[in-house]
Order: sequence, then C-alpha cells, then structure tokens
Amino acid sequence: AQTVTQSQPEMSVQEAETVTLSCTYDTSENNYYLFWYKQPPSRQMILVIRQEAYKQQNATENRFSVNFQKAAKSFSLKISDSQLGDTAMYFCAFINGGATNKLIFGTGTLLAVQP
Amino acid sequence: NAGVMQNPRHLVRRRGQEARLRCSPMKGHSHVYWYRQLPEEGLKFMVYLQKENIIDESGMPKERFSAEFPKEGPSILRIQQVVRGDSAAYFCASSPPGGYQETQYFGPGTRLLVL
Repeated sequence: AQTVTQSQPEMSVQEAETVTLSCTYDTSENNYYLFWYKQPPSRQMILVIRQEAYKQQNATENRFSVNFQKAAKSFSLKISDSQLGDTAMYFCAFINGGATNKLIFGTGTLLAVQP
Repeated sequence: NAGVMQNPRHLVRRRGQEARLRCSPMKGHSHVYWYRQLPEEGLKFMVYLQKENIIDESGMPKERFSAEFPKEGPSILRIQQVVRGDSAAYFCASSPPGGYQETQYFGPGTRLLVL
C-alpha cells in the first residue's frame, strides 16, 4: 500500500527563523510526484511546492525548499525566514502513475509561527 | 483567471436530507477530483472524473454517495440521506488534460454540517 507519514503533529518556530517539516512515503513505483500543500485557518488548500521523483535537484520556491532523498523515501520541507502568515497546517502528498490520479495525503503538521 | 469554484461554502442539512455540492474547475481543466476531510484529519480521495466519465471511484462510500461531471455545467457530488458522520469538509480539485504529472488545484471547500 502507498502511504504518506508525517510524524510531527505540531511544530512551533519563532518569526524569522527556519523550520523543517518531515515527511516519509512508501511506494514501489519509480515515477511519481511529491507535493506540500498549506492549509491556513481559512481552510483553503494552497500548493506550496512540488517535486518530480526523476529530478535529483531539490525544488525551491522563494523561502520554501525541499530535501528530497529518494532512496530513503524522505521529502522534508524547509521554511526559511518564517513569517506569521506561514502559520497553517502543512500536508505532504504523493501521486504516482497508473490509471488514476489520486493524491495520497499525510495527516498533516500544524505549524505555529510565534512573534 | 478564476480558480476552482465550489458552492455552497457552507451547507447545513438535517439527517435524512440530501446534500448537493458543486464544483466548477479552472478554465481549461477537464479533470475533477473530490476529496473529503474529516475533522482533525488529512484529505482522503473520493472520486476522479473527466467530462461525462467516472475514472476512479474507489474512495466513494458504496451507498448514498454519487458524483457526476456532465458535458455542460459543474461537477456535482451528491449525498443522499445524510447522516451525522457525513459532516466534513469536501474539497474539489481540478487539473488540465494530461496524466498524473499535472498539478491539482483545490477549491475553497464546502463545509457540510449534518444536524
């Protein structure tokens, strides 16, 4: 079975500091995509960053970057210079090829950025 | 360029009533997905549709739930004879034509409360 595990239910960081959220996944597929979505208090799901498994280079989007370790099946999210607006639930998600395109989500990490 | 639209944003139903949730995908997107988020949980896949076709409904409960994406108009998720356990946030996502590599963009969700 394909699963996504986020082992940190809650995390806290001071404004302007750096925080890393962990994610591991399990799959026997070789081609797949990984995502981090953010869900602020408004409950809207917002795409933060995505990574193609065939790319060795880690994806980066402004203050957000990932550490993708394919052999270890690890996909962590680093947020630099944390801002109050980063306070949200963060979900790691996975999708692989096949007849269906369903995203498999982890249980989420609630990040609180403290002033 | 409007994003994924969902309505209503909030829906209150009494046990035994029907709930109809609507989703209009982003312009140019022909693939629609429905996910359910129970309180304090991550999102769970329900169904994947293309125009006039259900591609994967492996996440849909076998009874009372149905989904459609007609040639014209929005996608509809229908829940008949609602029960309290159906209370959740229902998210619709859409993606362009293509395979699993296409990013899914989410709507704001419909919060269903069953009294």
